[in-house]
Amino acid sequence: AQSVAQPEDQVNVAEGNPLTVKCTYSVSGNPYLFWYVQYPNRGLQFLLKYITGDNLVKGSYGFEAEFNKSQTSFHLKKPSALVSDSALYFCAVRALNSGNTPLVFGKGTRLSVIA
Amino acid sequence: DGGITQSPKYLFRKEGQNVTLSCEQNLNHDAMYWYRQDPGQGLRLIYYSQIVNDFQKGDIAEGYSVSREKKESFPLTVTSAQKNPTAFYLCASTPITGPGDYGYTFGSGTRLTVV
Repeated sequence: AQSVAQPEDQVNVAEGNPLTVKCTYSVSGNPYLFWYVQYPNRGLQFLLKYITGDNLVKGSYGFEAEFNKSQTSFHLKKPSALVSDSALYFCAVRALNSGNTPLVFGKGTRLSVIA
Repeated sequence: DGGITQSPKYLFRKEGQNVTLSCEQNLNHDAMYWYRQDPGQGLRLIYYSQIVNDFQKGDIAEGYSVSREKKESFPLTVTSAQKNPTAFYLCASTPITGPGDYGYTFGSGTRLTVV
């Protein structure tokens, strides 16, 4: 079975500081990994994905994520946080060669960037 | 512009009443999904469909029903058997272009409240 863990319900960071939102996963075989962001009362927006290739993936709005196979992690990072980055962030996973099974999402991490 | 339209944005249901949430996409996507979002629980899969006239149950299908008579439409009915329907409902779609190298496009959601 596939699963995603986002160990922090809430992350607080000062504007201009680097931010990290953590994600670990469990799948059989190689994973496809995704990060999405959600603003209040809106749907989720795609940020970035890891399929294969370089372990450091760059995405929208200056975000990046690092895939670490040995630690089964896919942490979201940004070098300098903005107040506008405050939102709910979701990590999602599905297994390679699992057909077209749906993505499994984590419970979300609320990021608060303080001016 | 292409996208997914969910309607209505807000919906109120009386006890014992069935209600239907609309999801329409003009992206020519093959697969469509319904997720339920509750605070602190992330996104949980209700139903999904990868082709017209076919759909599969997700993790929390009890009390819900769907149909997929047209490629662009995937309505969700919340029946009276769903005892705790108050939640934010999200519809998503994706093309099936390969074994996982895609992301989901989400609608803006419907907030359902039992009154």
